[in-house]
Amino acid sequence: EVQLLESGGGLVQPGGSLRLSCAASRFTFSNYAMSWVRQAPGKGLEWVSAITDSGGDTYSADSVKGRFTISRDNSENTLFLQMNSLRAEDTAVYYCAKGSATSRPYYFDSWGQGTLVTVSS
Amino acid sequence: EIVLTQSPGTLSLSPGERATLFCRASQSVSSGYLAWYQQKPGQAPRLLMYGASSRATGIPDRFSGSGSGTDFTLTISRLEPEDFAVYYCQHYGGSRTFGQGTKVEIK
Repeated sequence: EVQLLESGGGLVQPGGSLRLSCAASRFTFSNYAMSWVRQAPGKGLEWVSAITDSGGDTYSADSVKGRFTISRDNSENTLFLQMNSLRAEDTAVYYCAKGSATSRPYYFDSWGQGTLVTVSS
Repeated sequence: EIVLTQSPGTLSLSPGERATLFCRASQSVSSGYLAWYQQKPGQAPRLLMYGASSRATGIPDRFSGSGSGTDFTLTISRLEPEDFAVYYCQHYGGSRTFGQGTKVEIK
């Protein structure tokens, strides 16, 4: 069974930075696109960023473009999300999600348990 | 960007009843690139359906999906206690947008 384990969440002040990690196992990580999806407290799901299997192409939602950067290390089976210039509205549980294919179109067939990011002074 | 609107917002039903959830897209969803996810409190979402009507691995056959173009439906034929949750639709052909969710609660 696919395993995705997020880490790196926590409390950060507005304007600060945080780097999330997602350790993947029990599947061939380098063969699949990956994404980050977030969920603000009591709200719905919002796709944040995506990266192709090789890491050659990345995509981000307009709400985080220019502030968040997705990357991956296929040698370490790890997905990252570098979050800069954080705002209160970025407060959410961040999920790592495995794509069903190498690149679009793909749905999310496995999800991690999430890591909470709280942006507050 | 395609906007997905789910209805109703909340569905109050009893175990054993049939649940019908709707997802309407603002533009036609190409090739049926529509997925459904289930989320229980405190848990990560779980894939239920993809391609509008294909069940994901391990999903019981009381769950079924249908639709094309702009109108899609998720049906749970007979609600089990573990089915009370929030359900999201998602267009994965382009912008990866999610609907706002439908909560299925115990009546």
